[in-house]
Amino acid sequence: GAVVSQHPSRVICKSGTSVKIECRSLDFQATTMFWYRQFPKQSLMLMATSNEGSKATYEQGVEKDKFLINHASLTLSTLTVTSAHPEDSSFYICSGDRGVSTEAFFGQGTRLTVV
Amino acid sequence: GENVEQHPSTLSVQEGDSAVIKCTYSDSASNYFPWYKQELGKRPQLIIDIRSNVGEKKDQRIAVTLNKTAKHFSLHITETQPEDSAVYFCAARANFGNEKLTFGTGTRLTIIP
Repeated sequence: GAVVSQHPSRVICKSGTSVKIECRSLDFQATTMFWYRQFPKQSLMLMATSNEGSKATYEQGVEKDKFLINHASLTLSTLTVTSAHPEDSSFYICSGDRGVSTEAFFGQGTRLTVV
Repeated sequence: GENVEQHPSTLSVQEGDSAVIKCTYSDSASNYFPWYKQELGKRPQLIIDIRSNVGEKKDQRIAVTLNKTAKHFSLHITETQPEDSAVYFCAARANFGNEKLTFGTGTRLTIIP
């Protein structure tokens, strides 16, 4: 199957700082990238959908100015958590889509801890 | 939008017995239904999926059934093994690609040796 590489796998940052998470599709062009957040013992909740070259579409309740998404190329999408706070601590995971298949290809996930 | 409900939230079965997890969905436009296994701190792993033009699909010990009329689908794991212990998520999606997956709330499956 197709591979999505997500980095970093773990990051600890101080409150008020920003953190960037990268997702790269290694062997396919991801026309669409989905960003999810997963709190402990909970399900994956979609934060936003990004399409290459256009603005991301955010789900209700997700602050677009806090969670900046860039999908500048068909192989790279980034999520930047700005002015992070402890309540932003979570597992963030991306999913790439080739647009021709129904299967979603997930990155490894990023465990963000804000102290 | 789509809403996916999943039951039970926790399930314990004796090793060798079968486990069944059920999901219902609300959007009749959904036509792709994957099941994921997720271990702690790792990405969801696709274990089986089914499309709306099929009623049942099987892959060794794992099977999925779909009832489009009732809008529900189920995961069946037979001859369970300790390594089947994990959290399982169902999901639903409309159309092909470029559409978001809506996940169920998850089932923590524990296999008792």
